[in-house]
Amino acid sequence: GAVVSQHPSWVICKSGTSVKIECRSLDFQATTMFWYRQFPKQSLMLMATSNEGSKATYEQGVEKDKFLINHASLTLSTLTVTSAHPEDSSFYICSARTGDEQYFGPGTRLTVT
Amino acid sequence: DAKTTQPPSMDCAEGRAANLPCNHSTISGNEYVYWYRQIHSQGPQYIIHGLKNNETNEMASLIITEDRKSSTLILPHATLRDTAVYYCIVRRLGGADGLTFGKGTHLIIQP
Repeated sequence: GAVVSQHPSWVICKSGTSVKIECRSLDFQATTMFWYRQFPKQSLMLMATSNEGSKATYEQGVEKDKFLINHASLTLSTLTVTSAHPEDSSFYICSARTGDEQYFGPGTRLTVT
Repeated sequence: DAKTTQPPSMDCAEGRAANLPCNHSTISGNEYVYWYRQIHSQGPQYIIHGLKNNETNEMASLIITEDRKSSTLILPHATLRDTAVYYCIVRRLGGADGLTFGKGTHLIIQP
């Protein structure tokens, strides 16, 4: 149990376009989901906390107008990278919280050309 | 959440026990020690957590010192598939915040 999926697993987009990443909890309901970003050879960095039905809370330095988060249901959160630039190329990972634990998705590799 | 310190890398021979240390000298009384690992290009995977007693599950054992200022994750019979970055994280049980990842320990299992 406690499986989290992400879609797509990888995506390549052109600079200036937007890309949406989905995070789903497959066998449990998650009132809270988290989005992380990981650059090559670095650790995961928390970007934002998303609670179902309310606005996301962004970490310092993360632009909320650039990284749009929607958490419309207890099993789905989406991250949209708007007007993507090459420096947004990264590994984006979500996690979903149930009870005391957080379970991570497999990650989405975004490459902006 | 308290800060943790881990060695940046370790090697271990396949079939031997891998012992990964973590220092968390500023841990608070209500904070647990969690271990996750991240295999290359995958999401982190939960391994084990504990408060003050030693814990064991099908993946690993966690040994926490009596003063709780440090802990050791033990993989009893390491395999090549255990090569990963291992993260030691201190957090409150039930905390609603995201996790703070340090640099972790890159464990390399040698054949």
